[in-house]
Amino acid sequence: GNSVTQMEGPVTLSEEAFLTINCTYTATGYPSLFWYVQYPGEGLQLLLKATKADDKGSNKGFEATYRKETTSFHLEKGSVQVSDSAVYFCALSGTPLVFGKGTRLSVIA
Amino acid sequence: DAGVIQSPRHEVTEMGQEVTLRCKPISGHDYLFWYRQTMMRGLELLIYFNNNVPIDDSGMPEDRFSAKMPNASFSTLKIQPSEPRDSAVYFCASSFTAGTTEAFFGQGTRLTVV
Repeated sequence: GNSVTQMEGPVTLSEEAFLTINCTYTATGYPSLFWYVQYPGEGLQLLLKATKADDKGSNKGFEATYRKETTSFHLEKGSVQVSDSAVYFCALSGTPLVFGKGTRLSVIA
Repeated sequence: DAGVIQSPRHEVTEMGQEVTLRCKPISGHDYLFWYRQTMMRGLELLIYFNNNVPIDDSGMPEDRFSAKMPNASFSTLKIQPSEPRDSAVYFCASSFTAGTTEAFFGQGTRLTVV
């Protein structure tokens, strides 16, 4: 069946560091891919998405490219801020969505 | 639209009491999902509905849990009787024609059973 594997955390970075959170998937067909973010005490909210191969989703300085050849959708940001501290979930389209286990990011000043 | 609305935001109850969590999905969305999140088990899907009909309740942990969706704008998740191990954050999410579209989450209900 469809599945998502994302890097385990927690990840701790200094402010302005480069961020990569790896995500790979297994799926049949041509799914859409998503990154959700969960800030402390809040629900999950969509950060970015890509609906077909080679699409790049971007939002708030974060980017992820849908790579069909490597079945990956890695999340990147060039310079993280303390306000980016949150849990990040990679997800695969389906009924229901298939979520990874989440990666906790802590950014320290 | 105000997004997915859940109530209450926080609930503290004593073991053995009945707890009812409420959710109002985004208008026009035809799928509704209930999730539970804990540190130990992460995010778990409990049940989901399509057009108010329960489609898959295999994630409901026990018979103590039940969910209903009497109409397109309201759903409840009930726990009776509640136990301390039910303490978690419960999320409701909705989506339009699940498949390639994203789901929208509510702010969650933090349940504490003492």
